[in-house]
Amino acid sequence: SAVISQKPSRDICQRGTSLTIQCQVDSQVTMMFWYRQQPGQSLTLIATANQGSEATYESGFVIDKFPISRPNLTFSTLTVSNMSPEDSSIYLCSVEDLRRGASGEQFFGPGTRLTVL
Amino acid sequence: AQSVTQLGSHVSVSEGALVLLRCNYSSSVPPYLFWYVQYPNQGLQLLLKYTSAATLVKGINGFEAEFKKSETSFHLTKPSAHMSDAAEYFCAVSRGAQKLVFGQGTRLTINP
Repeated sequence: SAVISQKPSRDICQRGTSLTIQCQVDSQVTMMFWYRQQPGQSLTLIATANQGSEATYESGFVIDKFPISRPNLTFSTLTVSNMSPEDSSIYLCSVEDLRRGASGEQFFGPGTRLTVL
Repeated sequence: AQSVTQLGSHVSVSEGALVLLRCNYSSSVPPYLFWYVQYPNQGLQLLLKYTSAATLVKGINGFEAEFKKSETSFHLTKPSAHMSDAAEYFCAVSRGAQKLVFGQGTRLTINP
């Protein structure tokens, strides 16, 4: 399975600032995803990061708030812009390698725990 | 649209007892189903997956799940709970090469 790392692992930020989270995979993968996990809640998909094209956002999430980059097949970033305390969550990236078959199986990074004051 | 319902946000069992975590799904097409575990302050780890092969799926750490189409269920079981099983468990559904839809999660507590 793919090994995924995220930076930073946690951060405490001030209201109104922005934070960029990095996701690095140890092998080339087809699809990368970004999820949000609010305190005590389940995971909600923010967007699918496509290499070489714009990310595909889920309902309720917009590019201006959560810009995403996917410059190559092993790396992606998610920026949380103009943060408010409501953005305090764990942000996780995941990957699905379609060369292993299109089963939907995803491997997750360790997450970035964000606290906004 | 797909959805997943996990019955019971919190399950508590004694060490050595049977673990049963319930998951029901809704999908208009044959689904792929998954159970993930999240230990405190960690990401998600895949326990097992159903991809239309055998209906009884064995996973890691002694867990297994049975796909029952007639009941639209994919319950997770383990015959004997261990203290290290304490974690949050998520059931998820996919139609393949698309997003995972997660259930609300079940927090499993093991009593000594």
